[in-house]
Amino acid sequence: GENVEQHPSTLSVQEGDSAVIKCTYSDSASNYFPWYKQELGKRPQLIIDIRSNVGEKKDQRIAVTLNKTAKHFSLHITETQPEDSAVYFCAPRGRDDKIIFGKGTRLHILP
Amino acid sequence: DSGVTQTPKHLITATGQRVTLRCSPRSGDLSVYWYQQSLDQGLQFLIQYYNGEERAKGNILERFSAQQFPDLHSELNLSSLELGDSALYFCASSIIGQGADTQYFGPGTRLTVL
Repeated sequence: GENVEQHPSTLSVQEGDSAVIKCTYSDSASNYFPWYKQELGKRPQLIIDIRSNVGEKKDQRIAVTLNKTAKHFSLHITETQPEDSAVYFCAPRGRDDKIIFGKGTRLHILP
Repeated sequence: DSGVTQTPKHLITATGQRVTLRCSPRSGDLSVYWYQQSLDQGLQFLIQYYNGEERAKGNILERFSAQQFPDLHSELNLSSLELGDSALYFCASSIIGQGADTQYFGPGTRLTVL
């Protein structure tokens, strides 16, 4: 079956530094690549997404880059702040509109 | 607030029982998705409906079933419950349910099976 892997599973960065999370997928038909943020006890929320015809997208301190040839996309957070502490999920949308979420990356922002 | 509502917020029941979880999508959204999130686990996609019809199916057990009604609300039925079914169940909705279509998640229903 289709496979989605996220790395790392846990990431600790100093406040103000950058964080990068990578998502690798196997379905070559995937055409939509979102990232979700889930704070403790809350619902997942879309923070940024990218379509398959675009290589990079930026929204203030958050960016997503896509490499369709290598079948991976990454979340970049710059100038990290305490409120960035959360679990982040990638969820590429593949053939037949099937959605597979990665297992998540727990991001800790250290003071 | 995403505009997606789920009831009940919490549900405690016993093994072997059957429960129904309800989801109302955002106004104007035609598609509903169901997800299961176990403790320290990611989100498992269960099933998706679009305008009353099943659109995509994930890892949904045979003991589970869902449907979307003419008013677009959806229900997830879980039967012959087992301890391992204890989880947070999220519903999400989107406009057209395909491609680059943003999903909005509800607050979730926490199911505890004793």
